[in-house]
Amino acid sequence: ETGVTQTPRHLVMGMTNKKSLKCEQHLGHNAMYWYKQSAKKPLELMFVYSLEERVENNSVPSRFSPECPNSSHLFLHLHTLQPEDSALYLCASSHTSGANTGELFFGEGSRLTVL
Amino acid sequence: DQQVKQNSPSLSVQEGRISILNCDYTNSMFDYFLWYKKYPAEGPTFLISISSIKDKNEDGRFTVFLNKSAKHLSLHIVPSQPGDSAVYFCAASATSGTYKYIFGTGTRLKVLA
Repeated sequence: ETGVTQTPRHLVMGMTNKKSLKCEQHLGHNAMYWYKQSAKKPLELMFVYSLEERVENNSVPSRFSPECPNSSHLFLHLHTLQPEDSALYLCASSHTSGANTGELFFGEGSRLTVL
Repeated sequence: DQQVKQNSPSLSVQEGRISILNCDYTNSMFDYFLWYKKYPAEGPTFLISISSIKDKNEDGRFTVFLNKSAKHLSLHIVPSQPGDSAVYFCAASATSGTYKYIFGTGTRLKVLA
């Protein structure tokens, strides 16, 4: 496998459910990201992990909880979501060296619907 | 307040003609710019980038132009092909140690056969 893979591709959950999105990168990159894409809005950066340490957290509600156990895997744990959280969640990775952040490589996204 | 703006939500171009997609930014600290292409049900894929030390970067049919004084960049696709029909996002970052790419809202390009 190559690139960035996300599972599941589609998820429907109720507001009281707990679920997780998974991302795996096979590119040897050292930074991983979660972005949210809502209709007619720019991609919104949610979290960034560099070398498994969270370096960016863009005021995301606590009902979204990221986890990065190693440089190849990234999770987004979801609990008590709201219908307005329905969106496409995109994982990305990049190779970062010093002050330079390389291009982002995206996965295909997980389409989340909250009922 | 959007720091990266793509003011045209959609664009239609005849096959073989030039497609010009525009992007404006407000933050003078941005010094690295990228274009991504996104097909339905797929993640964005990197297309081309440009650093602020250049005003033009070319890769095959794709050329990105940067006008720093106007805080404007554009992506030219020549000749346009039906397979280029997709949503195009521009993104900007300041290479000052942050990991933040700021994206525009995208422009949907339709190339008509």
